Amino acid sequence: ILNVEQSPQSLHVQEGDSTNFTCSFPSSNFYALHWYRWETAKSPKALFVMTLNGDEKKKGRISATLNTKEGYSYLYIKGSQPEDSATYLCAPFSGGSNYKLTFGKGTLLTVNP
Amino acid sequence: GAGVSQSPSNKVTEKGKDVELRCDPISGHTALYWYRQRLGQGLEFLIYFQGNSAPDKSGLPSDRFSAERTGESVSTLTIQRTQQEDSAVYLCASSSGARSYGYTFGSGTRLTVV
Repeated sequence: ILNVEQSPQSLHVQEGDSTNFTCSFPSSNFYALHWYRWETAKSPKALFVMTLNGDEKKKGRISATLNTKEGYSYLYIKGSQPEDSATYLCAPFSGGSNYKLTFGKGTLLTVNP
Repeated sequence: GAGVSQSPSNKVTEKGKDVELRCDPISGHTALYWYRQRLGQGLEFLIYFQGNSAPDKSGLPSDRFSAERTGESVSTLTIQRTQQEDSAVYLCASSSGARSYGYTFGSGTRLTVV
């Protein structure tokens, strides 16, 4: 079982603010890192799958970076909007034939209008 | 179907009763997963099916929990003699099995044991 830490646990920002949060994971045996967004009363949706050290991915106002050597990933949201309010989950995958993700507890983001 | 379908969406059951949760994955997805989230907790892995391989049951919390999958189609998660601590949102996800792709989750079943 991988030890996955996400911080902060929750975050309140004002509309228009930019924000970021962290996912820490074991750097040994790293294969990939997934980010998901989980809105209340909906199902989690995949945002990014990242595999390479130094990788940066972007989708609209959301971007993520990956440091596999030190075992962390940052998720950034530029100009937060109320519709960005959700729990953001990260899940590292350490490889092997069993493709099973271990999820962090998530960061709950609330964007106030 | 276009997405992962779970039923029922909500289930209230009395302590001690058995419940069965259903998941219909995306057609062609070889991998199927069950997770749950109890109040205040993270997503907890329960069981994983990959094609015709033996399932990974390492996350099932007790022998009251079991799951089946017929081929690469529907899966059912059965909880026998439900307890209050079984109350949670039970999520099913499927994937193509390719490690570069994420999971596609269903909307979940909210189970409340009273």
